[in-house]
Amino acid sequence: DQQVKQNSPSLSVQEGRISILNCDYTNSMFDYFLWYKKYPAEGPTFLISISSIKDKNEDGRFTVFLNKSAKHLSLHIVPSQPGDSAVYFCAAKGYGQNFVFGPGTRLSVLP
Amino acid sequence: EAGVTQFPSHSVIEKGQTVTLRCDPISGHDNLYWYRRVMGKEIKFLLHFVKESKQDESGMPNNRFLAERTGGTYSTLKVQPAELEDSGVYFCASSQEVRVVTEAFFGQGTRLTVV
Repeated sequence: DQQVKQNSPSLSVQEGRISILNCDYTNSMFDYFLWYKKYPAEGPTFLISISSIKDKNEDGRFTVFLNKSAKHLSLHIVPSQPGDSAVYFCAAKGYGQNFVFGPGTRLSVLP
Repeated sequence: EAGVTQFPSHSVIEKGQTVTLRCDPISGHDNLYWYRRVMGKEIKFLLHFVKESKQDESGMPNNRFLAERTGGTYSTLKVQPAELEDSGVYFCASSQEVRVVTEAFFGQGTRLTVV
């Protein structure tokens, strides 16, 4: 039973355009959500997070939106760059609990 | 400041042998997690330490896996005896939560291949 879902295994976007990665969760006890980026042969790297008391968090080209009623969050990357090509993992947790990861979405930014 | 380090980066062992993976978390981080990624799929939780205590070990696949965290510092994950299905990339992560949730920082992973 997957508590964190990323229904798009892959996504291709043209350089300079917006990339939108989606994530859905089922556990209403989650109150903290994160996005990690992973390059081949490396560990996941923290990108951006959002607490359940917020609906938007922005950091440079990266913005995460949270819709608690729909149990949905999304990561927007604007503008997309070729170096953004990686696997993006959505993760969720409650205080004191472990991080639960989604299956990942492979983003390819085409020059 | 050093990040999370894992050793070895790669390990190839035969079925039935024993392997021990090591993780050094970021200094001062009480929370230490072990995760595994098999066949390039999702990152699955194995175990969570808070200092030297096992907070949650519900993700450990079976009793062939043994994790320890000596003195609340580094951690080891031993697989004995290893089976073919244990192959994958084992990640360690650490975090420090003081009243608020924070992100976890991951090591580069140990790629385990059981042949």
